[in-house]
Amino acid sequence: ETGVTQSPTHLIKTRGQQVTLRCSSQSGHNTVSWYQQALGQGPQFIFQYYREEENGRGNFPPRFSGLQFPNYSSELNVNALELDDSALYLCASRERDSRVFTDTQYFGPGTRLTVL
Amino acid sequence: AQRVTQPEKLLSVFKGAPVELKCNYSYSGSPELFWYVQYSRQRLQLLLRHISRESIKGFTADLNKGETSFHLKKPFAQEEDSAMYYCALKNAGGTSYGKLTFGQGTILTVHP
Repeated sequence: ETGVTQSPTHLIKTRGQQVTLRCSSQSGHNTVSWYQQALGQGPQFIFQYYREEENGRGNFPPRFSGLQFPNYSSELNVNALELDDSALYLCASRERDSRVFTDTQYFGPGTRLTVL
Repeated sequence: AQRVTQPEKLLSVFKGAPVELKCNYSYSGSPELFWYVQYSRQRLQLLLRHISRESIKGFTADLNKGETSFHLKKPFAQEEDSAMYYCALKNAGGTSYGKLTFGQGTILTVHP
């Protein structure tokens, strides 16, 4: 069983650019969530995907969008980057439809995005 | 709206001393709470969940609905407990089912 992986590990962009971050879910997991973690803060929920459809969204503008693929890998896209988008972006996968005791979210190592 | 508050950003104790990391929450439904831990250079991982009522690495946490708290406790801290600890509340219904709301985190340092 492989864990959650994310790529790239670090990324530097300039204001106004677009970025795509990638996540590969843990084997057997059908739900992926994305979180933004600003420096010194706890992770903040961006959105989650279940069976390739967005299934819940936090307080993030539409320029944050995502995709989930049939193999349960996922992408986070951010358009028109702003300085405040600089953060660690985490993805987490879980197996939905399981009993609550196994409904654990497994986090990836994150992608550190710096916007200059 | 659901909210999680961890009032202490930093907590320092000596090895062998008791430790308590505080967590308070605000949630209109029946809460499901977790403690996540992040050791240096490692990813965020689940430490324990209130619903399983288990002790992990000597840590326990009891849900107190009256005080809306879920404090993490360990009677004798060890140096390897030094890490960042996050309290998290799960959205257990409606859209965004499974969404976690995190506190700001507490950095625990256990001195030798």
